[in-house]
Amino acid sequence: GAGVSQSPSNKVTEKGKDVELRCDPISGHTALYWYRQSLGQGLEFLIYFQGNSAPDKSGLPSDRFSAERTGGSVSTLTIQRTQQEDSAVYLCASSLAPGLGLEQYFGPGTRLTVT
Amino acid sequence: SQQGEEDPQALSIQEGENATMNCSYKTSINNLQWYRQNSGRGLVHLILIRSNEREKHSGRLRVTLDTSKKSSSLLITASRAADTASYFCATALNAGGTSYGKLTFGQGTILTVHP
Repeated sequence: GAGVSQSPSNKVTEKGKDVELRCDPISGHTALYWYRQSLGQGLEFLIYFQGNSAPDKSGLPSDRFSAERTGGSVSTLTIQRTQQEDSAVYLCASSLAPGLGLEQYFGPGTRLTVT
Repeated sequence: SQQGEEDPQALSIQEGENATMNCSYKTSINNLQWYRQNSGRGLVHLILIRSNEREKHSGRLRVTLDTSKKSSSLLITASRAADTASYFCATALNAGGTSYGKLTFGQGTILTVHP
């Protein structure tokens, strides 16, 4: 079946603009995760969804970042008033359930460049 | 912030040789996973080892876990040029009794296998 998909694959935006990044998880996966990968910080957890709820938003770096998930499926990560330090690859992953020890399937990522 | 560190940061070997990468972490874990990443994009799950396991094999991969030293190693035997990639360890922590599988990644090892 289809894997995790993300769009766009690349996004270049001007500082101060808002961006929306989309993640389509594997069908039937109830858990969805957003991570960010940047040169200075490596791979960092941002937020986790169980169904449409986000029990853990602890990794969101500032209140400019928000995310939602609808229908227990698609998730959107929104960054408002983008800054240059937001430039990174944003990775989405899903797993069958939020239990420990389950493989997470990653999407190809969205490379965000803020100019 | 990263849970742990990996070494070496970069490893260059010839095809047919074995590659060993190490990962250290700081807190108690439920399990440790190894992922592979090509060209800075999506991560591919390789293997998971639970905290009560000491060694696990999958094809040419061998993973060990020493919880007393809070360290793990990934051995790739008989390496191939196609194994060239970045390799990350990731730990799943018990967070206040909530089991949701949030992963905390190491900095990664860049492996180059020369044909």
